[in-house]
Amino acid sequence: GESVGLHLPTLSVQEGDNSIINCAYSNSASDYFIWYKQESGKGPQFIIDIRSNMDKRQGQRVTVLLNKTVKHLSLQIAATQPGDSAVYFCAAITGGGNKLTFGTGTQLKVEL
Amino acid sequence: DAGVIQSPRHEVTEMGQEVTLRCKPISGHNSLFWYRQTMMRGLELLIYFNNNVPIDDSGMPEDRFSAKMPNASFSTLKIQPSEPRDSAVYFCASSSRHGNYGYTFGSGTRLTVV
Repeated sequence: GESVGLHLPTLSVQEGDNSIINCAYSNSASDYFIWYKQESGKGPQFIIDIRSNMDKRQGQRVTVLLNKTVKHLSLQIAATQPGDSAVYFCAAITGGGNKLTFGTGTQLKVEL
Repeated sequence: DAGVIQSPRHEVTEMGQEVTLRCKPISGHNSLFWYRQTMMRGLELLIYFNNNVPIDDSGMPEDRFSAKMPNASFSTLKIQPSEPRDSAVYFCASSSRHGNYGYTFGSGTRLTVV
């Protein structure tokens, strides 16, 4: 199976700073990873994904880095804004299936 | 597209009662997932369907839980009888094999069993 965990339950950053949220996974056969954002009272929302044949992918203000050697991925948010305040989850798919295993989440708090 | 639609948004019921949660996936998506979210256990996959067929129900906690997908546009998750420990937010998500595999989640049903 796969277990996915995050390093910190809460991350506080100043508005305008960059945020880095980390995630570790256990199964080296995991081949697809997704970051989700969940705001209070809403379902998780897709942010960005990355496949195991890549080590970096960029979106709008977000970058995901994948280090398969140490089974670690991170989400970087540039110029963090108050609207980025949410819980962030990493999730992984193993072995080409479509069953996502979610980590426990990191609460990102943006301080003004 | 209206996204994944779940109903009801909130449900309060008494212990022992039957509860039915409903989900309409995104049109064209061929996989549907039911998740449960609690503070203690996070997001847990209960069951998922591919092309209306249940593929993996290993996350269904007990026989009190059942899920059906009679057609491509509708699924139900039923709890009978309900217990206070079933209180959680239940999410439905759908995905397609085409393009990325990222799920699209509904807004969830907050279930409270008293």
